[in-house]
Amino acid sequence: GDSVTQMEGPVTLSEEAFLTINCTYTATGYPSLFWYVQYPGEGLQLLLKATKADDKGSNKGFEATYRKETTSFHLEKGSVQVSDSAVYFCALTMPRGSYKLIFGSGTRLLVRP
Amino acid sequence: GAVVSQHPSRVICKSGTSVKIECRSLDFQATTMFWYRQFPKQSLMLMATSNEGSKATYEQGVEKDKFLINHASLTLSTLTVTSAHPEDSSFYICSALRLYEQYFGPGTRLTVT
Repeated sequence: GDSVTQMEGPVTLSEEAFLTINCTYTATGYPSLFWYVQYPGEGLQLLLKATKADDKGSNKGFEATYRKETTSFHLEKGSVQVSDSAVYFCALTMPRGSYKLIFGSGTRLLVRP
Repeated sequence: GAVVSQHPSRVICKSGTSVKIECRSLDFQATTMFWYRQFPKQSLMLMATSNEGSKATYEQGVEKDKFLINHASLTLSTLTVTSAHPEDSSFYICSALRLYEQYFGPGTRLTVT
């Protein structure tokens, strides 16, 4: 079945470091891909998305490119801030279906000053 | 736009009692809403898909008689945890579907004592 695999955390970085969180997927069709962020004690917020191959989603300095050839959607940010500390979830959904989201296991990011 | 609220944000109940959690789409109508459960430091587990005016569709392994879902209007879905036990303690998150995207509520922390 369809699935999402994320790198395990926690990821600990110093402020202004470069961030990469790996995400790969398995899907029978052409999914839409998402990154969600969850701050402590809160629900999920959509960070960015991409709906087709080679699309780049971007928001708040974060970027991810939909790579069909490697079935990947890695999250990157050039310079992280302490306020970026959160849990990041990669997810996919199959269009023209039930629109269920399939989540990765989540990656906790801790940014130290 | 696309704001989803949940009420209450936190609830403590005694073992054996029932508790109702509300999920509202504040500025849009949602034919479909989803209910998730999240254990500490884990990913979101889809419990059920709630469709306005019809019965909810439960994921495999979720007890429909224990987790009652009602989607009586286009802006409100409710999850009732019946005869709650300590193992039902968790973070419950809802989402509402709008234009093929899910918008998440802030979550409800349920503690059963």
